[in-house]
Amino acid sequence: GPKVLQIPSHQIIDMGQMVTLNCDPVSNHLYFYWYKQILGQQMEFLVNFYNGKVMEKSKLFKDQFSVERPDGSYFTLKIQPTALEDSAVYFCASSLANNQDTQYFGPGTRLLVL
Amino acid sequence: GDSVTQTEGPVTVSESESLIINCTYSATSIAYPNLFWYVRYPGEGLQLLLKVITAGQKGSSRGFEATYNKETTSFHLQKASVQESDSAVYYCALGSGGSNAKLTFGKGTKLSVKS
Repeated sequence: GPKVLQIPSHQIIDMGQMVTLNCDPVSNHLYFYWYKQILGQQMEFLVNFYNGKVMEKSKLFKDQFSVERPDGSYFTLKIQPTALEDSAVYFCASSLANNQDTQYFGPGTRLLVL
Repeated sequence: GDSVTQTEGPVTVSESESLIINCTYSATSIAYPNLFWYVRYPGEGLQLLLKVITAGQKGSSRGFEATYNKETTSFHLQKASVQESDSAVYYCALGSGGSNAKLTFGKGTKLSVKS
């Protein structure tokens, strides 16, 4: 089936530094998403993105978070500055515009903030 | 807000036995959510197992079935005879549908099938 790729698979970073998580979505998909999963908890919606804009974000999407997809390349989640509570697995997903809640997920990036 | 509750794992079942993983939901943002089961096999990403968008209907895939029950707000996952290759983590989810869709997930149920 369609594949979503995420780079890197793991990232360790010092608190206060910036990190960028990269997502390569399914090629003909137009909606993009980030979800966050803290160890032992459920995956939670962070944000969705369409046509260069954030369409909806949750309360977990702090001011330190930003997303973009410059020139149709990677869809990125940037955290600046990072905090200890940002340690989690971040999953990217993408979907067609006419079938948005059938989402295809990447394998996740495991972020550890020290 | 919306929420999903599912069987706490881990669940261990012997090969060829039947399986049921319970899922109940609470949808406050939408009257008729879309319901999903996703699965994560070891070493792989989350993938859609089945989806049902109409109350009363049943979805099926790879021998698994789930029926959308609006009265009991449930979407239990069942399989008559599991195989070792079904060992994975299963996630129940509800979708808000429409524009700006987002998924609300349960915590996941880890299934181990013994040969």
